[in-house]
Amino acid sequence: GDSVTQMEGPVTLSEEAFLTINCTYTATGYPSLFWYVQYPGEGLQLLLKATKADDKGSNKGFEATYRKETTSFHLEKGSVQVSDSAVYFCAARMNSGGYQKVTFGTGTKLQVIP
Amino acid sequence: NAGVTQTPKFRVLKTGQSMTLLCAQDMNHEYMYWYRQDPGMGLRLIHYSVGEGTTAKGEVPDGYNVSRLKKQNFLLGLESAAPSQTSVYFCASRAGQSNTEAFFGQGTRLTVV
Repeated sequence: GDSVTQMEGPVTLSEEAFLTINCTYTATGYPSLFWYVQYPGEGLQLLLKATKADDKGSNKGFEATYRKETTSFHLEKGSVQVSDSAVYFCAARMNSGGYQKVTFGTGTKLQVIP
Repeated sequence: NAGVTQTPKFRVLKTGQSMTLLCAQDMNHEYMYWYRQDPGMGLRLIHYSVGEGTTAKGEVPDGYNVSRLKKQNFLLGLESAAPSQTSVYFCASRAGQSNTEAFFGQGTRLTVV
């Protein structure tokens, strides 16, 4: 079945460090791919998305490129800030029996320390 | 600009009690969803609705019922709460078109003792 696999956390980084959170998916078709961010005590917010192969989503300094050949959508940021501390969810949306099913990864907690 | 609003935000239930979680959206969205979030398991879809008067089962529907009598509201009911239903519940809504963004509520933390 369809699935999304994220690297396990928590990830602890110093401020200004480079961030990579890996995400891979398995699907029968070509899903749309998303990264959501959940700040403490809040709901999920869309961070970025890509709808087809080689698309790059970007927002707030975060980037992710839709790689069909490796079925991946890794999240990167060149210089993290303390305010980036949150849980990050990778998700894939694909058609399933006439319904657009969204499958979420288990989430990766990022903690950025000063 | 309320977006998606969930009530209540916190609740403690005794085993066997019933309750209803309310989700309201003011964006005229067609699609609405209820998820539960558990440690190490991400978000799992409980039930969803593709329009007023329609509901469908998601991945983990057992023990829950839903209703969509009005387009803006999506209710999640627990008829007889169990400790396994202790979780954080999120509602989301989305316009019906493809590739539209889902908007999430702030969550309801439910504890069943």
